[in-house]
Amino acid sequence: GEDVEQSLFLSVREGDSSVINCTYTDSSSTYLYWYKQEPGAGLQLLTYIFSNMDMKQDQRLTVLLNKKDKHLSLRIADTQTGDSAIYFCAESFDHGSSNTGKLIFGQGTTLQVKP
Amino acid sequence: SAVISQKPSRDICQRGTSLTIQCQVDSQVTMMFWYRQQPGQSLTLIATANQGSEATYESGFVIDKFPISRPNLTFSTLTVSNMSPEDSSIYLCSAWRRDGYTFGSGTRLTVV
Repeated sequence: GEDVEQSLFLSVREGDSSVINCTYTDSSSTYLYWYKQEPGAGLQLLTYIFSNMDMKQDQRLTVLLNKKDKHLSLRIADTQTGDSAIYFCAESFDHGSSNTGKLIFGQGTTLQVKP
Repeated sequence: SAVISQKPSRDICQRGTSLTIQCQVDSQVTMMFWYRQQPGQSLTLIATANQGSEATYESGFVIDKFPISRPNLTFSTLTVSNMSPEDSSIYLCSAWRRDGYTFGSGTRLTVV
């Protein structure tokens, strides 16, 4: 079965880097995603990585994927107070999987950025 | 990505009543899904809304409690039936096309 796990809370100082970690169990995932949810708001897609890649950089965001260890991380450089939110990792699956099209989410990591 | 209009955005309902949530997508999508996000929790998939046939429910969710319709490739509804306070959650629809996923803004439901 599929299972996605994250640490629940991370606190950093403004200007520092934040690293949010995620582990998953199902190696048949196709894409891995990072979503941001601000209080009272919907889900915002931040970035995603194809499962055969090991790194993707997008401005302040760096995603690292270790397929062997089934470990995904999101690094936010120069973290700002506006980055305070809940961050969810999620995995999706290819055609032929019983989970085709579904997104399986982790529990979410609350990022607190202190001024 | 597709754009989803979800409504209502929030509602306060009496226990024992039902609420129907609608999602309209601005273009045809391959798949649509319904998720529940209980307070302080992650998103849990309720079901996959299949066009022209019965929805496919995940373990722990049943059609009598969460009937779903998907009459065409751009529209779906989720009904939360015979509500109890335990149904108080955010309900989100999602659409999938080859260019990725889109989420509705969510329906914040409070059952009193």
